[in-house]
Amino acid sequence: DMQMTQSPSAVSASVGDKVTITCRAGQNIRSWLAWYQQKPGKAPQLLIYGATSLQSGVPSRFSASGSGTDFSLTITSLQPEDFATYYCQQGYIFPFTFGPGTKVDIK
Amino acid sequence: QVQLQESGPGLLKPSGTLSLSCTVSGGSINNYYWAWIRQSPGKGLEWIGHIHSTGTSNYNPSLESRVTISVDTSKSQFSLALSSVTAADTAMYYCARPKYCTNINCWGFDYWGQGTLVTVSS
Repeated sequence: DMQMTQSPSAVSASVGDKVTITCRAGQNIRSWLAWYQQKPGKAPQLLIYGATSLQSGVPSRFSASGSGTDFSLTITSLQPEDFATYYCQQGYIFPFTFGPGTKVDIK
Repeated sequence: QVQLQESGPGLLKPSGTLSLSCTVSGGSINNYYWAWIRQSPGKGLEWIGHIHSTGTSNYNPSLESRVTISVDTSKSQFSLALSSVTAADTAMYYCARPKYCTNINCWGFDYWGQGTLVTVSS
């Protein structure tokens, strides 16, 4: 299976901070990468698809970059509702796989 | 607005068969792929497989010998059957819709059900 790694595994930040999460694929996945936000007790919510495209309805403080094997998700000016766990997911090769997650919590 | 709702037993015994359905509302089930994803504390998020409304399916090789995903377009439903379950199959099970797929690639899952917790225990 395609291994997806994320770093850091957790980050403590304050409202207004800029946070960057990285995701690395085990091999070239071109731009077939998605990012999700998940809050406790809820299903994941799609933030980014195609590595860099913002899903409709997602605030513009979320942005993403990368292609190939290295990707990043950036949240500029962290808001209280952004404290959650973030996952990357590759959709390039079966089986589709998710990263282990990055928990963003309040400092 | 597309909505997905999982249904099925929340508790089953080891060696039994897990059977879940997902009802699609607010949009057509036709011409889309539909997926099952599960989440457990030990294994994180795991893609189980997906099916196109025409019936073409792909499964996670780690589960392929035990899993069947089917679709009933007349009922706007798709279903998951997982046989010979063990405690390792205890998880939150989600149905979801990929935003866009080719035959072999998908862009991400933009619609999700709320999830249903399935516990395997004697």
